[in-house]
Amino acid sequence: TQLLEQSPQFLSIQEGENLTVYCNSSSVFSSLQWYRQEPGEGPVLLVTVVTGGEVKKLKRLTFQFGDARKDSSLHITAAQPGDTGLYLCAGEVGANNLFFGTGTRLTVIP
Amino acid sequence: DTGVSQNPRHKITKRGQNVTFRCDPISEHNRLYWYRQTLGQGPEFLTYFQNEAQLEKSRLLSDRFSAERPKGSFSTLEIQRTEQGDSAMYLCASSPYYQTVRTNYGYTFGSGTRLTVV
Repeated sequence: TQLLEQSPQFLSIQEGENLTVYCNSSSVFSSLQWYRQEPGEGPVLLVTVVTGGEVKKLKRLTFQFGDARKDSSLHITAAQPGDTGLYLCAGEVGANNLFFGTGTRLTVIP
Repeated sequence: DTGVSQNPRHKITKRGQNVTFRCDPISEHNRLYWYRQTLGQGPEFLTYFQNEAQLEKSRLLSDRFSAERPKGSFSTLEIQRTEQGDSAMYLCASSPYYQTVRTNYGYTFGSGTRLTVV
């Protein structure tokens, strides 16, 4: 059962545009992690947020954890073709395992 | 350390055959996880180990699936009597035993084993 819903599922934008991906749940998580996955490879961790309201920046990527620790967003500024990939949010329940969202497939067109 | 290693990368098998996958985690990571990912979906949790102990199994892990981590190092995932519905990418991940608020490094995933059952 997927506890996390991501939107949009698919996103195709031009290079230089901004975008936001949302990750929503009715569950509270001890941490929320964002991963990026390339075709034929495993997910690679981008960031972990653990405190409600926390904002983290990674170059052109900005991650925010909701105040109630149930939702998160990923904002990319001035997208580049190298940002193309599957973006996955994942909520950690306790310290035991990670539940992944449905994913957002981003395509940045040069 | 070269990260999490999974073998084989690809496996094609006939329906009804048994298959076994191997995962070598990062050496200092006590926890090891198995996930399954089908096309267009996020990974789904199957099971996890802390050292050699299998602490949790998903309902997705039917009795045809078995996982072991005999010495707390590498792990194997075996699927008996494979079915076409077992076709998926099987991902292994590892993490340190204790992750705090300040030192949550997430999970390190391998490149996966893509299984195709024909």
